[in-house]
Parts: sequence; structure tokens; C-alpha cells
Amino acid sequence: NAGVMQNPRHLVRRRGQEARLRCSPMKGHSHVYWYRQLPEEGLKFMVYLQKENIIDESGMPKERFSAEFPKEGPSILRIQQVVRGDSAAYFCASSRKTGLAGSEQFFGPGTRLTVL
Amino acid sequence: QQQVKQSPQSLIVQKGGISIINCAYENTAFDYFPWYQQFPGKGPALLIAIRPDVSEKKEGRFTISFNKSAKQFSLHIMDSQPGDSATYFCAASGAHNQGGKLIFGQGTELSVKP
Repeated sequence: NAGVMQNPRHLVRRRGQEARLRCSPMKGHSHVYWYRQLPEEGLKFMVYLQKENIIDESGMPKERFSAEFPKEGPSILRIQQVVRGDSAAYFCASSRKTGLAGSEQFFGPGTRLTVL
Repeated sequence: QQQVKQSPQSLIVQKGGISIINCAYENTAFDYFPWYQQFPGKGPALLIAIRPDVSEKKEGRFTISFNKSAKQFSLHIMDSQPGDSATYFCAASGAHNQGGKLIFGQGTELSVKP
């Protein structure tokens, strides 16, 4: 059973370009979470999605960032007009459901974004 | 109220010793407390987790102690090994009523010396 998959693993962009990060959850998981890890810091929640719905985007910057989880295909985290401060590791996690059982979140290997 | 405070920031332990990492939280709505282990360049891996209906959970060399009244929980690594050297994160969520987003502590960099 494949784990959470993320691609690309490394992404280099110049200031002003767009970054697209992809996440395929574990088989049977319909809940996806995105987290950002800045250098030497912990992980910060960004957004929580279920298929075709954004459930909680309270951690997402109001501008330039967007996320989707379409009915078919991976979840996408999109960063428009990247700036140097966006350089970080972006992790996706998935869970089977929320609530007491089955809510464990399993993380992917991350995408390391470098903005030049 | 959403913060989780973790200490120490770094920890050096001799092989065979006990590693102890502590976390404290404020939000009483949290009902799920996992610990993650992260190696450099890798994603966090779920190590062990506890819910507030028990005060202790043990899996192999890893034990979580939970004090609901003090709003604190800790990770104990018994017989620490050099392979345990990694960064450890505690986290908390209100899985039952807050959608399950994890609030992470700042992390503890553990180094186990041979």
C-alpha cells in the first residue's frame, strides 16, 4: 500500500513565478492536509480539504495561495508570484476520516521549494 | 489558545539512556496527541499517539505520559539508540470537533551519542 506521494520533491522557482505542488493521499484516504515547515521551525497548518471541498483554510495566506482537491486526481497547492519568503518544505498529510477512529494523519516526503 | 509548547529545543543523551521530551497545551478542546519523528530531508512519521481517556501509552521503547489536569504530555524513549537521533514533534488536535488539523510544537532535536 503506497504511502502519501508528493511531487515534485524539489522545486526551484524565480521570484514572480508560479509553484504547483501535488499530493496523492494514501489509498482509501479522502482527507488531505497541507502544512508548511520553514527552516529551523515546526510545521504550520495551512489548509484542510476533502474531495472537491475546502473545509478549513485558516492557516493559508490570504493572497497568492490556493488549494484544491478535485474529484479525480491529486490535491494541488498553488502559489502564485512566489517570493523568497515562500521558500520552505511543504508537506501533505492524509487521513481516512476525522473523529476518534481513523483520524491518524500520515505525511508525505514533502516538496522543498526554493525561490531564487 | 492554539499553541503547543515543546521543550527542550535540543537534547543530547548517551546510548542506553532515557530521552524525555515535554509538551504543554492550553486548548481543552484538544483530544488527540500524537508524536512524530522526522529525519533530515524526510517527512514526519507518526510514532505514537494518545487520547485523554488514558494517562499512559507504551509501544516498544516509546511511552507517552499524559496529565490532563496539568494539560501536559511527554514522550519517553527508553534505552535510547543512535538510530533514534532525529527531530521529534509533539502535536495536538481537536479531531472530534475541529476537523483534525494538527497544531505542532516547535520540535526537539535529539542526538544519541554512542
